[in-house]
Amino acid sequence: GAGVSQSPSNKVTEKGKDVELRCDPISGHTALYWYRQSLGQGLEFLIYFQGNSAPDKSGLPSDRFSAERTGGSVSTLTIQRTQQEDSAVYLCASSLGGKTQYFGPGTRLLVL
Amino acid sequence: AQSVTQPDIHITVSEGASLELRCNYSYGATPYLFWYVQSPGQGLQLLLKYFSGDTLVQGIKGFEAEFKRSQSSFNLRKPSVHWSDAAEYFCAVGARPGGTSYGKLTFGQGTILTVHP
Repeated sequence: GAGVSQSPSNKVTEKGKDVELRCDPISGHTALYWYRQSLGQGLEFLIYFQGNSAPDKSGLPSDRFSAERTGGSVSTLTIQRTQQEDSAVYLCASSLGGKTQYFGPGTRLLVL
Repeated sequence: AQSVTQPDIHITVSEGASLELRCNYSYGATPYLFWYVQSPGQGLQLLLKYFSGDTLVQGIKGFEAEFKRSQSSFNLRKPSVHWSDAAEYFCAVGARPGGTSYGKLTFGQGTILTVHP
């Protein structure tokens, strides 16, 4: 399909382990966004890429969270030393002109 | 800082009845406005958007929304609800270029819609 794809769709990990979540944006979309959806906090912005640079990292909750984007396409969100409060659905979105964001199906992360 | 309020956490309607989901926002100027829908276990699907111009916007699946600047509202409506409309609905605002929050969407807490046969 031509939509945003994310992998894995589900991830179960143990507390303290590192995890990597991947996002493939819609082809040609220059902007890419990460959000987190949890029961207690709703939908929260994490980080935004324009090309390979991240003008806005304001939503990353701690220094355990990082993200990169290479080649203006695929992005990886890394969570180091996972904690139980990191359990959530991580959603990726992409945008062509920065106006309308199209979302992927999400990665459901469970930290035991 | 921008914020979005969806006053109704849960709404129940009968199939065929009309629907209105409320959304109020706080923002210094007119933001970009969106409604998304999320079915269980799925991502967010865009229903409709408002950037400028006509304040009544049409979206997919028979939904429409009206931007009212004086009320800082962007309510979602549908004249006749179908059972397949049962889902969670999110209102979101985005800053225009040059805004300090440009690039990110701020979401409301969502409204869960239940449809009775």
